[in-house]
Amino acid sequence: GQNIDQPTEMTATEGAIVQINCTYQTSGFNGLFWYQQHAGEAPTFLSYNVLDGLEEKGRFSSFLSRSKGYSYLLLKELQMKDSASYLCAVRDEGDNYGQNFVFGPGTRLSVLP
Amino acid sequence: GAGVSQSPRYKVTKRGQDVALRCDPISGHVSLYWYRQALGQGPEFLTYFNYEAQQDKSGLPNDRFSAERPEGSISTLTIQRTEQRDSAMYRCASSSDRIFSGNTIYFGEGSWLTVV
Repeated sequence: GQNIDQPTEMTATEGAIVQINCTYQTSGFNGLFWYQQHAGEAPTFLSYNVLDGLEEKGRFSSFLSRSKGYSYLLLKELQMKDSASYLCAVRDEGDNYGQNFVFGPGTRLSVLP
Repeated sequence: GAGVSQSPRYKVTKRGQDVALRCDPISGHVSLYWYRQALGQGPEFLTYFNYEAQQDKSGLPNDRFSAERPEGSISTLTIQRTEQRDSAMYRCASSSDRIFSGNTIYFGEGSWLTVV
């Protein structure tokens, strides 16, 4: 089975840095993904980690520790438009070409002026 | 197509009726996923396909829910004898190939189902 956990809500100030944590337990692991979802819209891809360490992509960075079943998404120089839900997802590769994507509950981030 | 296309975007149906939700994935995408998403929650896995083969249907809530992808492209999610608790956003997503482990999935805009 799979279990993915994230904080429900976070609040931060414009220009600040925020870290959104994700812990997971899966039977198989083949990558961890972060998605952004604005209210009323479809989730969109932000970042991907399959090896331990930090992946940086502009203002967004994502970290993975496979041994701890832990990831975080780091958002720097926060902007008002970053107010959204952030979804952690694990690709759980099972048998027979399986590549199931399982999502966490999402973290709703509010950026205040 | 340019993106994942779902229809209808909005569907209101009476309790007890059957509904069919359609998903047209990105052209050439091998894998197709169905999710259900409640307000303020993450997408909840329902089922997925590689080509026309249904690989995992463990997330389908009960036997009123079924999905097919007969030619490995367009997929239909069918809900029989709808109930009010089936009201939700149903999202489809697709991805290109399992060989490249970094492949992400791309979501459609969703079909919003309301059962009255």
